[in-house]
Amino acid sequence: NAGVTQTPKFRILKIGQSMTLQCAQDMNHNYMYWYRQDPGMGLKLIYYSVGAGITDKGEVPNGYNVSRSTTEYFPLRLELAAPSQTSVYFCASSSQRFSNQPQHFGDGTRLSIL
Amino acid sequence: SQELEQSPQSLIVQEGKNLTINCTSSKTLYGLYWYKQKYGEGLIFLMMLQKGGEEKSHEKITAKLDEKKQQSSLHITASQPSHAGIYLCGVPYQYDKVIFGPGTSLSVIP
Repeated sequence: NAGVTQTPKFRILKIGQSMTLQCAQDMNHNYMYWYRQDPGMGLKLIYYSVGAGITDKGEVPNGYNVSRSTTEYFPLRLELAAPSQTSVYFCASSSQRFSNQPQHFGDGTRLSIL
Repeated sequence: SQELEQSPQSLIVQEGKNLTINCTSSKTLYGLYWYKQKYGEGLIFLMMLQKGGEEKSHEKITAKLDEKKQQSSLHITASQPSHAGIYLCGVPYQYDKVIFGPGTSLSVIP
């Protein structure tokens, strides 16, 4: 019963490097989300997707890109890592729009940019 | 845009004590969700409140939605170390999204 799986769990990047945060869900959920969590700031939505091939920006999309070629996977790409992107990143999924069904969260990716 | 505030920001209680966490919205609440986050882990859904005056309970955790006050309260009875973590409220936003509060960090001392 995997649910939402995020990899890697931890990563340290140098400024200017790029990387992809992986997110996979095995619940056949249409809706997927990427959040970042900074201390005392709650969760901020980066990007979201309502189905394969459809993505849209959230509150804080700058510096990130996403793709959704299949229902299962929703990777988040950092092209030019900056110290401001040091954060904990969470991927979530839901079967319907969030107002009707709760979101299921992965365990997060802890990213440090040095 | 809608904003959520949570109080207190952090809380330390002795095991067995009761406690209350509040979530206040800047706009009318049409629904609200409570999540718990264990330190270093993802969020776990606790409960969803959809109507003013609605009250739900899960084990020793009770949440209530007060529409008029634009507020929800989460009450834990006889706290245990297993209750420790960060509690976040969230509200639906623009059809497909959710806004989360900043969270309340709870520590329970045995």
